Amino acid sequence: GNSVTQMEGPVTLSEEAFLTINCTYTATGYPSLFWYVQYPGEGLQLLLKATKADDKGSNKGFEATYRKETTSFHLEKGSVQVSDSAVYFCALSPPDTGRRALTFGSGTRLQVQP
Amino acid sequence: GAVVSQHPSWVICKSGTSVKIECRSLDFQATTMFWYRQFPKQSLMLMATSNEGSKATYEQGVEKDKFLINHASLTLSTLTVTSAHPEDSSFYICSAPWGLKSEAFFGQGTRLTVV
Repeated sequence: GNSVTQMEGPVTLSEEAFLTINCTYTATGYPSLFWYVQYPGEGLQLLLKATKADDKGSNKGFEATYRKETTSFHLEKGSVQVSDSAVYFCALSPPDTGRRALTFGSGTRLQVQP
Repeated sequence: GAVVSQHPSWVICKSGTSVKIECRSLDFQATTMFWYRQFPKQSLMLMATSNEGSKATYEQGVEKDKFLINHASLTLSTLTVTSAHPEDSSFYICSAPWGLKSEAFFGQGTRLTVV
């Protein structure tokens, strides 16, 4: 079946540090890949996405590249801010239909200190 | 962009009572919606798939008689937690797929506390 594996948190960084959150997946074919962010007490917000191999999703300074050869979709940001503190979820959607639920990783909590 | 609205955002109820959570797609039609449950500091676990005009599909281990799902229109799905117990306390989130690549929009979530 499909699965998503994320690095365990929490990840604690100082402001302006470089961020990497690793995500690898298992799926048949070419799934769509997503990063969602969850701020305390809130639902999930789509951060970025990629729908085919070598696509790079980007938003708000965050980037992730769909690597088919390594089945990875690592999230990166060059300079984090305190406001980036949240939980980040990597997720995939299978390629065969547009009406399937997402499969989520376990989430990685990011704490950015001033 | 597409918006999914979930209500209420939080609710406290007594053991044995029932609680209804609404999930609405505000600017698009959703023939399918998904209900997830999230325990503290854990990921989202799919509970069930809500299908407009037909019965919901429940994931293994989810009690369909406890978590009643109704999808009566193309913009509204409801989750009713019946005879709630403290162990039902959790964060419940709905989502609706949108577009051709299964991008999903999520509601704000409902924090249920059963006392």
